Amino acid sequence: DAGVIQSPRHEVTEMGQEVTLRCKPISGHNSLFWYRQTMMRGLELLIYFNNNVPIDDSGMPEDRFSAKMPNASFSTLKIQPSEPRDSAVYFCASGRLGDNQPQHFGDGTRLSIL
Amino acid sequence: AQSVTQLDSHVSVSEGTPVLLRCNYSSSYSPSLFWYVQHPNKGLQLLLKYTSAATLVKGINGFEAEFKKSETSFHLTKPSAHMSDAAEYFCVVSGNTGNQFYFGTGTSLTVIP
Repeated sequence: DAGVIQSPRHEVTEMGQEVTLRCKPISGHNSLFWYRQTMMRGLELLIYFNNNVPIDDSGMPEDRFSAKMPNASFSTLKIQPSEPRDSAVYFCASGRLGDNQPQHFGDGTRLSIL
Repeated sequence: AQSVTQLDSHVSVSEGTPVLLRCNYSSSYSPSLFWYVQHPNKGLQLLLKYTSAATLVKGINGFEAEFKKSETSFHLTKPSAHMSDAAEYFCVVSGNTGNQFYFGTGTSLTVIP
């Protein structure tokens, strides 16, 4: 079975540019999570979706960040404009709703903003 | 409210010796608990999960964890460390909706040859 697929794996761009991170969840999963991981702050939940609907976006740092899930097989996390402090590894995870099913993580996108 | 405390930020063991990674949780109901492992430049991989069945849970790669309600603990153990076990380990507790997860701050395991 294919796991959670994230693209790109690495992104280096200059501050002020728009960045779009992509995620394809595991087929049949109906919840999707975006996380950010840094040395300073560890793993932070940014937003999660159930059945393509955003449920909790309280972790989104500011208005420069936005996430969409137009269908069950695709989600994006966009940063516009990007800043150096956005540099981090961004993970997408998917799972099945309810029954405390575990999340399955992608390999992440390593983002560097210069 | 739910929370997780991983008691050690770093653990160092010699190859072939036992591993103990400690996790305490706080929950107002019967939680589900998970351990994940993260190798360098990789995503988090599920090691094992506890969901109110047997209190001793066996996972992949020889790891196991025991749920102790009286101690609110869910420590991860392995009888004999292997070099490939060197990684970051996260203890996770679920929220009461079953769809929110609270991560510990992680324990970095070093295995000395």
